[in-house]
Amino acid sequence: GDSVTQMEGPVTLSEEAFLTINCTYTATGYPSLFWYVQYPGEGLQLLLKATKADDKGSNKGFEATYRKETTSFHLEKGSVQVSDSAVYFCALSDYGGSQGNLIFGKGTKLSVKP
Amino acid sequence: DSGVTQTPKHLITATGQRVTLRCSPRSGDLSVYWYQQSLDQGLQFLIQYYNGEERAKGNILERFSAQQFPDLHSELNLSSLELGDSALYFCASSVGTSGTLGETQYFGPGTRLLVL
Repeated sequence: GDSVTQMEGPVTLSEEAFLTINCTYTATGYPSLFWYVQYPGEGLQLLLKATKADDKGSNKGFEATYRKETTSFHLEKGSVQVSDSAVYFCALSDYGGSQGNLIFGKGTKLSVKP
Repeated sequence: DSGVTQTPKHLITATGQRVTLRCSPRSGDLSVYWYQQSLDQGLQFLIQYYNGEERAKGNILERFSAQQFPDLHSELNLSSLELGDSALYFCASSVGTSGTLGETQYFGPGTRLLVL
């Protein structure tokens, strides 16, 4: 079945450091890919998405490119801030399947130190 | 604020009991999804409703059931509760059915259930 694998956390960075969180997927159909962020005590918020190969999603300085050849959707940010501390989830929705539900990775906790 | 509301925020109950979680989707959204977030299982899809009808089922236990009402709000019923049912339960909503390319799901703040 479909699945998402993302790098284990936690990840601790200093402010202004470069961030990469790796995400790879397995899907049988034509998946759309998402990054969601969960701040402490809150629900999930969509950070960015991409719906087809080579699409780049971007938002708030974060970006990720849909790479079909490597089945990856790595999240990057050039300069992280303390306010970026949160848990980040990679997810897919398989367009070709009968379900539109999201399949999530296990999440990566990011802590940014001043 | 996503526009999705969930009540209650917190729920503490005992094993063997039954609880009902409520979700109101964003205005105009027809699909409602329920997810369970636990430390050991991560985020797991439970069930989806579209315009009052069950659309898809995931890893939902037989002790759990859900429905979507004519006003589109949804309820998740959990019965014969066990310690392992303690988790954060999220509701999400989206505009249409599955299969729409890249359709975004908007999540509520969740209901934290603690079974003692």
